[in-house]
Amino acid sequence: DGGITQSPKYLFRKEGQNVTLSCEQNLNHDAMYWYRQDPGQGLRLIYYSQIVNDFQKGDIAEGYSVSREKKESFPLTVTSAQKNPTAFYLCASSTPGLGANVLTFGAGSRLTVL
Amino acid sequence: KQEVTQIPAALSVPEGENLVLNCSFTDSAIYNLQWFRQDPGKGLTSLLLIQSSQREQTSGRLNASLDKSSGRSTLYIAASQPGDSATYLCAAKAAGNKLTFGGGTRVLVKP
Repeated sequence: DGGITQSPKYLFRKEGQNVTLSCEQNLNHDAMYWYRQDPGQGLRLIYYSQIVNDFQKGDIAEGYSVSREKKESFPLTVTSAQKNPTAFYLCASSTPGLGANVLTFGAGSRLTVL
Repeated sequence: KQEVTQIPAALSVPEGENLVLNCSFTDSAIYNLQWFRQDPGKGLTSLLLIQSSQREQTSGRLNASLDKSSGRSTLYIAASQPGDSATYLCAAKAAGNKLTFGGGTRVLVKP
C-alpha cells in the first residue's frame, strides 16, 4: 500500500530538548511538506522540499530544521529555539509543479512539551 | 498575501439535510483550490480539487464550486449522514507552489 508514514504518533518533550519527527513516503513523490496545526486553526507551512537535497522555508520556519537526503524521507527537527512547540504536525507529499497535484497527508504526530 | 477564511467555524445539522460549506480567499490568482476532510486526531484526506479554469467538480454526494472573480468556493454535501461528521478544510494554491489553508469548518451530523 502506498502512503506516508509519520512517527511517532505521540511525543512528549521536556523544555530545552530537540526532537525529530519522522516522515517516510513510498509514493515516489518528489515534493514533501511539513505543516503545523494548532487547535481551531488551519495548517501553516513550516518547510517544503521540491527535490532531494533541496528545501525551502515556509511561513513559520523559525525554530525548526529539516533535511532531504533521500527522496522517501523528510525528517523535521523541532529545536529548543521553537518557543511554543506543542502542536499537531502533519507531513505531506505530492508531485511537483503547478498542476492538479493532490496533496497526500500522513496521519500526523502530536508533540507535547511538558 | 493570500488569506483563506471558512465561515462558520462549526455547523450542526440533522441527518438527511444538505450541507453547504463556504470558503473565501483574498487573492484570485490561484492555480487550484482543494477541499479536504480531517477526522479527529488524524491527517487530511483530499476530497476534491478544482483547477482555476474549472467552475465545479463532483464526486458522489460531494460537489464543489469555484468562483474566482468573487474569491469563493462552496462545498455541497447532499443528504448528510452521521459518517460525514468531521472537519472540512479548503486550501488555495497560488504562486510559489504553496497551499494556504482555511481554519476549517467542524461539522456534526446528528442521527
